[in-house]
Amino acid sequence: AQSVAQPEDQVNVAEGNPLTVKCTYSVSGNPYLFWYVQYPNRGLQFLLKYITGDNLVKGSYGFEAEFNKSQTSFHLKKPSALVSDSALYFCFSNMNTGFQKLVFGTGTRLLVSP
Amino acid sequence: ETGVTQSPTHLIKTRGQQVTLRCSSQSGHNTVSWYQQALGQGPQFIFQYYREEENGRGNFPPRFSGLQFPNYSSELNVNALELDDSALYLCASSPGSGGGRGDTQYFGPGTRLTVL
Repeated sequence: AQSVAQPEDQVNVAEGNPLTVKCTYSVSGNPYLFWYVQYPNRGLQFLLKYITGDNLVKGSYGFEAEFNKSQTSFHLKKPSALVSDSALYFCFSNMNTGFQKLVFGTGTRLLVSP
Repeated sequence: ETGVTQSPTHLIKTRGQQVTLRCSSQSGHNTVSWYQQALGQGPQFIFQYYREEENGRGNFPPRFSGLQFPNYSSELNVNALELDDSALYLCASSPGSGGGRGDTQYFGPGTRLTVL
Protein backbone atom coordinates (compact mmCIF):
# COMPACT_ATOMS: atom_id res chain seq x y z
CA ALA A 1 0.00 0.00 0.00
CA GLN A 2 1.16 3.52 -0.74
CA SER A 3 2.15 5.34 2.40
CA VAL A 4 4.52 7.66 4.22
CA ALA A 5 6.07 6.69 7.53
CA GLN A 6 7.68 8.64 10.31
CA PRO A 7 9.56 6.13 12.44
CA GLU A 8 10.18 8.42 15.41
CA ASP A 9 7.41 9.70 17.65
CA GLN A 10 9.73 12.23 19.22
CA VAL A 11 13.13 13.76 18.54
CA ASN A 12 15.08 15.62 21.20
CA VAL A 13 17.90 17.99 20.32
CA ALA A 14 19.79 20.75 22.08
CA GLU A 15 19.56 24.29 20.76
CA GLY A 16 22.32 25.01 18.28
CA ASN A 17 22.73 21.37 17.29
CA PRO A 18 21.67 20.00 13.90
CA LEU A 19 18.31 18.26 13.74
CA THR A 20 16.88 15.53 11.53
CA VAL A 21 13.28 14.36 11.36
CA LYS A 22 12.87 11.19 9.34
CA CYS A 23 10.33 10.23 6.70
CA THR A 24 10.22 7.22 4.41
CA TYR A 25 7.77 6.64 1.61
CA SER A 26 6.20 3.90 -0.41
CA VAL A 27 4.74 5.44 -3.55
CA SER A 28 4.11 4.15 -7.04
CA GLY A 29 5.73 6.28 -9.69
CA ASN A 30 7.29 9.65 -8.93
CA PRO A 31 6.77 10.71 -5.34
CA TYR A 32 5.45 14.17 -4.49
CA LEU A 33 6.56 14.80 -0.91
CA PHE A 34 5.94 17.65 1.51
CA TRP A 35 6.79 18.67 5.05
CA TYR A 36 4.38 20.58 7.28
CA VAL A 37 4.75 21.88 10.83
CA GLN A 38 2.01 22.24 13.43
CA TYR A 39 2.28 24.47 16.47
CA PRO A 40 -0.05 23.91 19.46
CA ASN A 41 -3.71 24.69 18.75
CA ARG A 42 -2.94 25.82 15.22
CA GLY A 43 -3.31 24.53 11.70
CA LEU A 44 -0.49 23.15 9.61
CA GLN A 45 2.10 25.36 7.97
CA PHE A 46 3.90 24.43 4.76
CA LEU A 47 7.68 24.10 5.03
CA LEU A 48 8.88 22.66 1.74
CA LYS A 49 8.19 20.16 -1.02
CA TYR A 50 9.94 17.87 -3.46
CA ILE A 51 8.47 17.52 -6.94
CA THR A 52 11.41 16.83 -9.18
CA GLY A 53 14.94 18.05 -9.78
CA ASP A 54 17.54 18.79 -7.13
CA ASN A 55 17.46 16.24 -4.32
CA LEU A 56 18.16 18.94 -1.71
CA VAL A 57 15.15 21.12 -1.20
CA LYS A 58 15.31 24.35 0.78
CA GLY A 59 12.28 25.67 2.58
CA SER A 60 10.99 28.08 5.20
CA TYR A 61 12.66 28.99 8.51
CA GLY A 62 16.02 27.51 7.51
CA PHE A 63 14.72 23.99 7.01
CA GLU A 64 15.80 21.75 4.17
CA ALA A 65 15.07 18.19 3.13
CA GLU A 66 17.00 15.59 1.22
CA PHE A 67 15.23 13.30 -1.21
CA ASN A 68 16.91 9.91 -1.50
CA LYS A 69 15.36 7.63 -4.08
CA SER A 70 17.47 4.57 -3.29
CA GLN A 71 16.54 4.72 0.39
CA THR A 72 12.99 5.96 -0.32
CA SER A 73 13.49 8.71 2.25
CA PHE A 74 12.77 12.41 2.56
CA HIS A 75 14.34 13.51 5.83
CA LEU A 76 13.85 17.03 7.16
CA LYS A 77 16.97 18.80 8.40
CA LYS A 78 18.17 22.03 9.92
CA PRO A 79 21.80 22.87 10.61
CA SER A 80 21.17 24.66 13.91
CA ALA A 81 18.01 24.07 15.95
CA LEU A 82 16.13 26.81 17.79
CA VAL A 83 13.89 26.39 20.83
CA SER A 84 11.12 27.92 18.73
CA ASP A 85 11.40 24.98 16.31
CA SER A 86 9.74 22.79 18.94
CA ALA A 87 6.53 21.59 17.29
CA LEU A 88 4.87 18.65 15.57
CA TYR A 89 6.20 17.81 12.11
CA PHE A 90 4.34 15.90 9.43
CA CYS A 91 5.51 14.30 6.23
CA PHE A 92 2.86 14.29 3.48
CA SER A 93 2.34 12.88 0.02
CA ASN A 94 -0.26 13.28 -2.67
CA MET A 95 -0.59 9.81 -4.17
CA ASN A 96 -2.91 10.78 -6.98
CA THR A 97 -3.84 7.67 -8.91
CA GLY A 98 -6.53 9.31 -11.00
CA PHE A 99 -8.51 10.10 -7.88
CA GLN A 100 -7.02 12.14 -5.09
CA LYS A 101 -5.36 10.27 -2.24
CA LEU A 102 -3.67 12.54 0.25
CA VAL A 103 -1.66 10.90 3.01
CA PHE A 104 0.04 12.27 6.12
CA GLY A 105 2.55 10.49 8.27
CA THR A 106 1.82 9.99 11.95
CA GLY A 107 3.91 12.96 12.98
CA THR A 108 7.12 13.52 14.93
CA ARG A 109 7.30 15.77 17.94
CA LEU A 110 10.47 17.84 17.97
CA LEU A 111 11.66 19.13 21.33
CA VAL A 112 14.56 21.58 21.32
CA SER A 113 16.04 22.21 24.73
CA PRO A 114 17.80 25.47 25.65
CA GLU B 1 -4.26 38.32 0.79
CA THR B 2 -6.69 36.50 3.11
CA GLY B 3 -5.70 33.04 4.22
CA VAL B 4 -7.92 30.04 4.82
CA THR B 5 -10.55 30.63 7.48
CA GLN B 6 -12.79 28.15 9.28
CA SER B 7 -15.85 28.49 11.44
CA PRO B 8 -16.74 27.87 14.13
CA THR B 9 -13.55 27.59 16.18
CA HIS B 10 -15.04 25.21 18.69
CA LEU B 11 -18.22 23.17 18.73
CA ILE B 12 -19.83 20.80 21.19
CA LYS B 13 -22.48 18.33 20.02
CA THR B 14 -24.13 15.24 21.40
CA ARG B 15 -24.10 11.78 19.89
CA GLY B 16 -26.58 11.38 17.04
CA GLN B 17 -26.72 15.05 16.14
CA GLN B 18 -25.64 16.58 12.86
CA VAL B 19 -22.97 19.25 12.37
CA THR B 20 -21.87 21.61 9.59
CA LEU B 21 -18.38 23.07 9.47
CA ARG B 22 -17.42 25.89 7.12
CA CYS B 23 -14.28 26.87 5.26
CA SER B 24 -13.35 29.86 3.14
CA SER B 25 -10.50 29.15 0.79
CA GLN B 26 -7.55 31.42 0.18
CA SER B 27 -8.06 33.98 -2.56
CA GLY B 28 -7.44 32.48 -6.00
CA HIS B 29 -7.65 28.85 -4.80
CA ASN B 30 -10.21 26.58 -6.43
CA THR B 31 -9.58 23.32 -4.59
CA VAL B 32 -10.53 22.51 -1.01
CA SER B 33 -9.59 19.46 1.04
CA TRP B 34 -10.88 18.38 4.45
CA TYR B 35 -9.03 16.40 7.09
CA GLN B 36 -9.84 14.90 10.47
CA GLN B 37 -7.11 15.02 13.10
CA ALA B 38 -7.79 13.02 16.23
CA LEU B 39 -5.82 13.87 19.34
CA GLY B 40 -2.20 12.74 19.03
CA GLN B 41 -2.56 11.55 15.45
CA GLY B 42 -1.80 12.77 11.97
CA PRO B 43 -4.52 14.31 9.80
CA GLN B 44 -6.67 11.82 7.90
CA PHE B 45 -7.92 12.81 4.44
CA ILE B 46 -11.73 12.99 4.28
CA PHE B 47 -12.36 14.36 0.78
CA GLN B 48 -11.42 17.01 -1.75
CA TYR B 49 -13.53 19.30 -3.91
CA TYR B 50 -12.54 20.96 -7.15
CA ARG B 51 -14.93 23.33 -8.91
CA GLU B 52 -17.87 22.06 -6.87
CA GLU B 53 -17.22 18.39 -7.65
CA GLU B 54 -15.77 15.77 -5.30
CA ASN B 55 -12.54 14.49 -6.85
CA GLY B 56 -11.06 12.45 -4.03
CA ARG B 57 -12.15 10.68 -0.87
CA GLY B 58 -10.48 8.89 2.00
CA ASN B 59 -11.81 6.02 4.09
CA PHE B 60 -14.73 7.83 5.67
CA PRO B 61 -18.35 6.66 5.70
CA PRO B 62 -21.08 8.39 3.69
CA ARG B 63 -22.34 10.24 6.75
CA PHE B 64 -19.37 12.54 6.07
CA SER B 65 -20.44 14.69 3.15
CA GLY B 66 -19.44 18.00 1.66
CA LEU B 67 -20.19 20.84 -0.65
CA GLN B 68 -18.20 23.41 -2.52
CA PHE B 69 -19.82 26.64 -3.62
CA PRO B 70 -19.17 28.78 -6.72
CA ASN B 71 -16.95 31.09 -4.69
CA TYR B 72 -14.91 27.97 -3.74
CA SER B 73 -15.86 28.06 -0.09
CA SER B 74 -16.83 24.69 1.32
CA GLU B 75 -18.86 22.88 3.96
CA LEU B 76 -18.27 19.60 5.74
CA ASN B 77 -21.40 17.90 7.06
CA VAL B 78 -21.36 15.02 9.49
CA ASN B 79 -24.58 13.17 10.27
CA ALA B 80 -25.35 10.85 13.17
CA LEU B 81 -22.37 11.99 15.20
CA GLU B 82 -20.41 9.37 17.10
CA LEU B 83 -18.06 9.83 20.04
CA ASP B 84 -15.10 8.97 17.81
CA ASP B 85 -15.90 11.95 15.59
CA SER B 86 -14.40 14.19 18.27
CA ALA B 87 -11.37 15.72 16.58
CA LEU B 88 -9.83 18.80 15.01
CA TYR B 89 -11.23 19.27 11.51
CA LEU B 90 -8.85 20.98 9.14
CA CYS B 91 -9.61 22.58 5.82
CA ALA B 92 -6.94 23.28 3.22
CA SER B 93 -7.11 25.12 -0.07
CA SER B 94 -4.78 24.87 -3.04
CA PRO B 95 -4.45 26.51 -6.42
CA GLY B 96 -4.23 24.69 -9.69
CA SER B 97 -6.29 22.20 -11.56
CA GLY B 98 -8.10 19.80 -9.31
CA GLY B 99 -5.37 19.14 -6.86
CA GLY B 100 -2.33 18.51 -8.95
CA ARG B 101 0.09 16.31 -7.07
CA GLY B 102 2.58 19.11 -6.65
CA ASP B 103 0.10 21.72 -5.45
CA THR B 104 0.83 23.11 -2.02
CA GLN B 105 -2.07 23.04 0.41
CA TYR B 106 -2.64 25.94 2.76
CA PHE B 107 -4.42 25.09 5.98
CA GLY B 108 -6.90 26.91 8.12
CA PRO B 109 -6.69 26.93 11.93
CA GLY B 110 -9.25 24.15 12.26
CA THR B 111 -12.53 23.54 14.07
CA ARG B 112 -12.38 21.58 17.30
CA LEU B 113 -15.44 19.31 17.50
CA THR B 114 -16.33 17.59 20.74
CA VAL B 115 -19.05 14.93 20.73
CA LEU B 116 -20.54 14.05 24.10
